[in-house]
Amino acid sequence: TQLLEQSPQFLSIQEGENLTVYCNSSSVFSSLQWYRQEPGEGPVLLVTVVTGGEVKKLKRLTFQFGDARKDSSLHITAAQPGDTGLYLCAGEKTDKLIFGTGTRLQVFP
Amino acid sequence: DAGITQSPRHKVTETGTPVTLRCHQTENHRYMYWYRQDPGHGLRLIHYSYGVKDTDKGEVSDGYSVSRSKTEDFLLTLESATSSQTSVYFCAINLGGNTEAFFGQGTRLTVV
Repeated sequence: TQLLEQSPQFLSIQEGENLTVYCNSSSVFSSLQWYRQEPGEGPVLLVTVVTGGEVKKLKRLTFQFGDARKDSSLHITAAQPGDTGLYLCAGEKTDKLIFGTGTRLQVFP
Repeated sequence: DAGITQSPRHKVTETGTPVTLRCHQTENHRYMYWYRQDPGHGLRLIHYSYGVKDTDKGEVSDGYSVSRSKTEDFLLTLESATSSQTSVYFCAINLGGNTEAFFGQGTRLTVV
């Protein structure tokens, strides 16, 4: 059973466009983490959100944790080809991380 | 930076053979994890360890066993490999006192 569903699964956009990736669950998590993974590499942590309603910004990336701590979103402004990769959300439950299904983003020049 | 080394990086094996994957960390992190990554499933937890000789099952543990005899090494064993275990396997450790994970580069295992 996949506790965390991400949408969309795939996203192909042109450089300069904005996009939002969603991570949804019916479960409550202690925290929600976002990772980015490039081909042939392991995922790399981007951010952790802990408080319901929390918003964190990392340059052009904005992360939000839902008020009920069940969902999260990642918004990228003016996407660049360097943003290409697999984006994974992960919810923390009792010392373990539950990963989402992933969103594969392709940004074309 | 926490250092994690996975070995081997690639392996092809035959159905029914035993396979052991190794994860080695250079720091003294208590928690270590084994995940598998398959298209459409994201990362799924196989087993994890919270100390030497302390391990527990994850969501897809059937067909896998683990051992941790030293803090720095966490071994994943497929006793009798099956084609459904063809996957990319990632080892991870916790950063600090929370669950934020630092991953190794992965092992691509093909069972033919």
